[in-house]
Amino acid sequence: GESVGLHLPTLSVQEGDNSIINCAYSNSASDYFIWYKQESGKGPQFIIDIRSNMDKRQGQRVTVLLNKTVKHLSLQIAATQPGDSAVYFCAEKGAGNKLTFGGGTRVLVKP
Amino acid sequence: EAGVAQSPRYKIIEKRQSVAFWCNPISGHATLYWYQQILGQGPKLLIQFQNNGVVDDSQLPKDRFSAERLKGVDSTLKIQPAKLEDSAVYLCASSRAPKDEQYFGPGTRLTVT
Repeated sequence: GESVGLHLPTLSVQEGDNSIINCAYSNSASDYFIWYKQESGKGPQFIIDIRSNMDKRQGQRVTVLLNKTVKHLSLQIAATQPGDSAVYFCAEKGAGNKLTFGGGTRVLVKP
Repeated sequence: EAGVAQSPRYKIIEKRQSVAFWCNPISGHATLYWYQQILGQGPKLLIQFQNNGVVDDSQLPKDRFSAERLKGVDSTLKIQPAKLEDSAVYLCASSRAPKDEQYFGPGTRLTVT
């Protein structure tokens, strides 16, 4: 399939290790943040979200941390699997529920 | 539940030609979005519909791009005339309401030569 992006920051991780993907956002008024996973040839897929009044939220093998002081968001993936190989985007939802995506990070899982 | 459908999946045209993309959202989703994703970047919203009305088209290059959702279901996005910088993946997404989760289609990859 076609590549989502050729010059993205890349995180190489050994299968079974934990992954941490970071994102800086720009709008301090954003009240909702989402992490998406995009596999080659597919559209972005929702992973987990967090509201601005929270600093941590956990899902299945994923945790999102929000630091509003420095406008930083991170996604932690526990026990990374080959199926986690993809490009990951953070997005912020601001006025009018408009989604603004950040730059992506490519995760490559090594067997 | 069927996902968001888009066609064609790939399109190659020469600059100055016109092209149209089609999107069929998830049944019952009133809100429909078109995004442009340039290689190596995150998707950028072009236009948002609520039923058959435009909510936000502030980032749509209206001199060459147009979109419609006449019956509040399917939507088409047109580019006329295309420029080299329009080469990108065009993603359609839908949600039940603006505040709800957006579901993305597979996209149409456009190459302008």
